[in-house]
Amino acid sequence: SQTIHQWPATLVQPVGSPLSLECTVEGTSNPNLYWYRQAAGRGLQLLFYSVGIGQISSEVPQNLSASRPQDRQFILSSKKLLLSDSGFYLCAWSPGQLNYGYTFGSGTRLTVV
Amino acid sequence: QQQVKQSPQSLIVQKGGISIINCAYENTAFDYFPWYQQFPGKGPALLIAIRPDVSEKKEGRFTISFNKSAKQFSLHIMDSQPGDSATYFCAASGPQGGSEKLVFGKGTKLTVNP
Repeated sequence: SQTIHQWPATLVQPVGSPLSLECTVEGTSNPNLYWYRQAAGRGLQLLFYSVGIGQISSEVPQNLSASRPQDRQFILSSKKLLLSDSGFYLCAWSPGQLNYGYTFGSGTRLTVV
Repeated sequence: QQQVKQSPQSLIVQKGGISIINCAYENTAFDYFPWYQQFPGKGPALLIAIRPDVSEKKEGRFTISFNKSAKQFSLHIMDSQPGDSATYFCAASGPQGGSEKLVFGKGTKLTVNP
């Protein structure tokens, strides 16, 4: 069966520090991968998605970047965090090929102080 | 065209009552309509989904009603329980230049009082 792992679960970082959040998927190959951000009490904002290694599409211009160095690994990064980067970050995967079943990870609660 | 409008923003229901959440879309190319349930501090989890070739899908106490001509779909939770208290997101997707991005509604916070 397929599983998605996301870590860390919580993170407190000072303004101006770098960020690296990692997401990995097991039990499947060539998944579509997604990074979402959810502000407190708000909806899901798509940040990045990837349909293959090295293929990244950005949905919202911002202080963040994403990379996909391996087929089942998706990384969200920032060189210098802003207060506005605080939020709940969610990774998700789908089988692709017009199969829209998204499975979300357990999320990372990021607080920038 | 790419938006999914969800209402209400919040909903309070008594235990045993029926919870109804509505969503509307514009893009007629959408062909997959899932609902996700999210508990605080957790990632959303797929609850139930429907494709437009059927008007209703039922799984236990959860039912999706789909009206293709009106471009609307809704989630009905029968015999609502306190454990159903969560945020619910509707979503829609369809062929979009080869990508499979889900477009989410803004969510409905459901509270079921005991």
